[in-house]
Amino acid sequence: GQQLNQSPQSMFIQEGEDVSMNCTSSSIFNTWLWYKQEPGEGPVLLIALYKAGELTSNGRLTAQFGITRKDSFLNISASIPSDVGIYFCAGQETNRDDKIIFGKGTRLHILP
Amino acid sequence: DVKVTQSSRYLVKRTGEKVFLECVQDMDHENMFWYRQDPGLGLRLIYFSYDVKMKEKGDIPEGYSVSREKKERFSLILESASTNQTSMYLCASSPGQGRFGTQYFGPGTRLLVL
Repeated sequence: GQQLNQSPQSMFIQEGEDVSMNCTSSSIFNTWLWYKQEPGEGPVLLIALYKAGELTSNGRLTAQFGITRKDSFLNISASIPSDVGIYFCAGQETNRDDKIIFGKGTRLHILP
Repeated sequence: DVKVTQSSRYLVKRTGEKVFLECVQDMDHENMFWYRQDPGLGLRLIYFSYDVKMKEKGDIPEGYSVSREKKERFSLILESASTNQTSMYLCASSPGQGRFGTQYFGPGTRLLVL
């Protein structure tokens, strides 16, 4: 079935650095979502995108819905220790209103 | 804020036991979902429901059943628990048309089957 390619799989960065991760699909999506999951917890919705080209911020986080509707990226500026976790992208294909598809996640590690 | 709650954070059950996992959402969402999450396999959809008393199979429904008697509550049932059902179970809900894909998750139930 449809898969989302999320990259990178993991990142090791220094505190204060900016972070960028992305997701691509082989089909057109009408919704892109970004979640963060901390150990032992459920995913928490960070940003939801509904229109091609849409750029949305949530504090230090910024996400964009790609113009082709086949990709999305998430940026985190000036990373801090509490940004550690797994970031998942998810999307809903056009004309598929029954489920969303998840990426495998980007595990973010922050070095002191 | 959307609130999705799950009845237990941790459960330990024995093989063959019947297990009930409860999920409640307080935002009047039409849609509710049950996933399991395993290392290396990501999130896999077990069952979902569009409305009260309605249910649809997801990608891995075998060994599970669900019940939705009230709009705010969606239960996952393991009829006879097996060790390969040890996992993290996540419930989610989403609003109806137009924002179907925007799912909000509960904190998860970590189930261990011995």
